Amino acid sequence: GQQVMQIPQYQHVQEGEDFTTYCNSSTTLSNIQWYKQRPGGHPVFLIQLVKSGEVKKQKRLTFQFGEAKKNSSLHITATQTTDVGTYFCPAGGTSYGKLTFGQGTILTVHP
Amino acid sequence: NAGVTQTPKFQVLKTGQSMTLQCAQDMNHNSMYWYRQDPGMGLRLIYYSASEGTTDKGEVPNGYNVSRLNKREFSLRLESAAPSQTSVYFCASSGLQVSGANVLTFGAGSRLTVL
Repeated sequence: GQQVMQIPQYQHVQEGEDFTTYCNSSTTLSNIQWYKQRPGGHPVFLIQLVKSGEVKKQKRLTFQFGEAKKNSSLHITATQTTDVGTYFCPAGGTSYGKLTFGQGTILTVHP
Repeated sequence: NAGVTQTPKFQVLKTGQSMTLQCAQDMNHNSMYWYRQDPGMGLRLIYYSASEGTTDKGEVPNGYNVSRLNKREFSLRLESAAPSQTSVYFCASSGLQVSGANVLTFGAGSRLTVL
């Protein structure tokens, strides 16, 4: 898999505030995926981005892939307590799915 | 329910003991993986199997061995457990979705403590 850096490592927000996490790579990525892991749970696939400049939405979540395919972002509008967890953006590199995960961004939402 | 099943969910070992973590998937996926997760370290790949009959080292293979028993099962063995292997272990398998994405499906995790 290709290595990406994710920032911030931690984010605390009040419920209702927006939240954004960023993933950056020094090399062009073939694709990027996003996973969410709830506290005490396992990572769950959210979405994959493949095309340059791609934007995908899932309810309050907006995913973007940069024009140069070197960065990606996840934006959550009006956070809820159910958004709590760690968000990962592993990048692809093999045809069979091997992915390299970084530290992720740990999101805490205060009610 | 289709998915990845790993056992045991919890295990406490003494230093030097051995054990095997079992993993099975029923999604007919070719590829399977073992990750470990430690606080502040994210998920690190231990070993993977791109297809039945093949296994390869990941980022942190030392102290572990794996066996791809058949297409469904991929086990992780600790021959002589050390306190540094205290972690949460996740098994995963990957397969193509209708969207074209090669997606990882994770098991619920196995929490291992080595005293």
